Amino acid sequence: SQKIEQNSEALNIQEGKTATLTCNYTNYSPAYLQWYRQDPGRGPVFLLLIRENEKEKRKERLKVTFDTTLKQSLFHITASQPADSATYLCALAPLINQAGTALIFGKGTTLSVSS
Amino acid sequence: EPEVTQTPSHQVTQMGQEVILRCVPISNHLYFYWYRQILGQKVEFLVSFYNNEISEKSEIFDDQFSVERPDGSNFTLKIRSTKLEDSAMYFCASTRTGGYGYTFGSGTRLTVV
Repeated sequence: SQKIEQNSEALNIQEGKTATLTCNYTNYSPAYLQWYRQDPGRGPVFLLLIRENEKEKRKERLKVTFDTTLKQSLFHITASQPADSATYLCALAPLINQAGTALIFGKGTTLSVSS
Repeated sequence: EPEVTQTPSHQVTQMGQEVILRCVPISNHLYFYWYRQILGQKVEFLVSFYNNEISEKSEIFDDQFSVERPDGSNFTLKIRSTKLEDSAMYFCASTRTGGYGYTFGSGTRLTVV
């Protein structure tokens, strides 16, 4: 069966450190993979998208990698701050039916950054 | 920054009643979606809508559910006869086209009693 898994439900780190979140998937060949941030009681907020032919993408303190051989994406937040505390969701779009295709979400990793 | 607007933010309804959740997607977006999130669980896809018709739907989206785009701006989700297990946050989202991030609304918290 198709699965998308975010290995840690919770991750606690100290301010200033780099947070690394993992997303693994099985039985998909995604056209692209996305990362979202979700705060309690709010909708997901889009952060980054990485395509199957891209290895790495950066945006400010965020970096995403995508390894289609390992079927894994890593999401890094450098110089983390307490304001980065939230749940981070991995989502992928299956290769078939690219335009407007439904995103499949992982359960998320809740990051807590302590000062 | 353009937003997806959802109303109401919270709705309480009795089991068996019909509810309509409303959304105003971003104006130049072409694809519209409904997702739901049961408390403590993952965001689940319900339905996608493009060019005035459903393009994809999940197993959750059974005959009790319907979507409509009654005019050029609104996008609605109707649940005909609500069940207790329909209690969840319902999110509307839109995107310009494939290969772009989705913009989600803040959600409607539906409580069925």
